[in-house]
Amino acid sequence: GQQLNQSPQSMFIQEGEDVSMNCTSSSIFNTWLWYKQDPGEGPVLLIALYKAGELTSNGRLTAQFGITRKDSFLNISASIPSDVGIYFCAGQLPNTGNQFYFGTGTSLTVIP
Amino acid sequence: DTAVSQTPKYLVTQMGNDKSIKCEQNLGHDTMYWYKQDSKKFLKIMFSYNNKELIINETVPNRFSPKSPDKAHLNLHINSLELGDSAVYFCASSYYGEPQHFGDGTRLSIL
Repeated sequence: GQQLNQSPQSMFIQEGEDVSMNCTSSSIFNTWLWYKQDPGEGPVLLIALYKAGELTSNGRLTAQFGITRKDSFLNISASIPSDVGIYFCAGQLPNTGNQFYFGTGTSLTVIP
Repeated sequence: DTAVSQTPKYLVTQMGNDKSIKCEQNLGHDTMYWYKQDSKKFLKIMFSYNNKELIINETVPNRFSPKSPDKAHLNLHINSLELGDSAVYFCASSYYGEPQHFGDGTRLSIL
């Protein structure tokens, strides 16, 4: 299956700092999603992106669909302790209908 | 009012046993999925059903058999459990082609 590589693998930051993470693939995707997984729970959708170059915000979170369609970026501004969790990207290949491939995850720790 | 609910949340069993996990969604979605999350947190799709028809069947041992009695339910039966089956299994649902909503997972531990 498709491999989506996320970086960094893990981050330790101070409360109040901004965070950037990205997701890259060797294939072109027509949809990019960003999810957050809290400990002991399932992933929750944060942002969905459907068009190359698209920039979408959800509160302090902003995500971008890379212009090459092979990458996507997620930024979190002014981090707070409840931002702790694992962030996953997911991509949908063209003409595959329903299949999404998930990235390797970025684990975020926010130090108060 | 849980959207995607899985039971049980925890499952501890002996190697060689057969077990089932159940999933129900009340979102009116037409597509349901099973994912496996390993110890490194990698999420891999196993199966997907659309309107009770199997549409995604990744390379999964045939000891795993999904069953969808109706659009709102997707169960997973596992025969002859092995140590490597220990993982968190997530059910998800969506409208076809749309982003998925996940349940809270079933933590399967094989002794």
